[in-house]
Amino acid sequence: QLQLQESGPGLVKPSETLSLTCTVSGGSISSSSYYWGWIRQPPGKGLEWIGSIYYSGSTYYNPSLKSRVTISVDTSKNQFSLKLSSVTAADTAVYYCARHALDLEAFDIWGQGTMVTVSS
Amino acid sequence: DIQMTQSPSSVSASVGDRVTITCRASQGISSWLAWYQQKPGKAPKLLIYAASSLQSGVPSRFSGSGSGTDFTLTISSLQPEDFATYYCQQANSFPRVTFGPGTKVDIK
Repeated sequence: QLQLQESGPGLVKPSETLSLTCTVSGGSISSSSYYWGWIRQPPGKGLEWIGSIYYSGSTYYNPSLKSRVTISVDTSKNQFSLKLSSVTAADTAVYYCARHALDLEAFDIWGQGTMVTVSS
Repeated sequence: DIQMTQSPSSVSASVGDRVTITCRASQGISSWLAWYQQKPGKAPKLLIYAASSLQSGVPSRFSGSGSGTDFTLTISSLQPEDFATYYCQQANSFPRVTFGPGTKVDIK
């Protein structure tokens, strides 16, 4: 059964770069049927799509975050990663990674999420 | 960019009630709409995709309808485990997506 697990620092200083990795287990990240995405949720608020990546490396980003976001994939490790630069307190959120199914055009499998706090 | 709205923002209901949540897109999105359920402290769970297709394992009391700009999620008989927040998500420009603001279903 496919599982996703986020990992990375839970505390990041303002102006620094937030870095998270999502490890995919129980299946291959190199499947042609899926994108792999990042979604975040500030405390008490709704969901915001950050971006998605295909195993080939093609990326799609939320226009509102595009200037600060980089998503990459490492097929040898079955992982994909998120970097968000110049963070502020507004970037404090639970960050989820998820499988983005082409046939469903929806996120069908999610990681458990990881809380990232931006604070000095 | 396509914007999504949901109504109501919250609804109080009792076990056994029929609950309907509406999602509206700022422009036509055909049937490229999904619905998710999220419980506190948990990741969202996919309920409905392509506006009306039930995800595997989801109870049949959940149903979705609509196309174009107006969509609905209906819970035919609310169960205790259904108290949660529900989000719609458009995928007209997949993989670029937008989520609605959410509708909280709580106990009356």
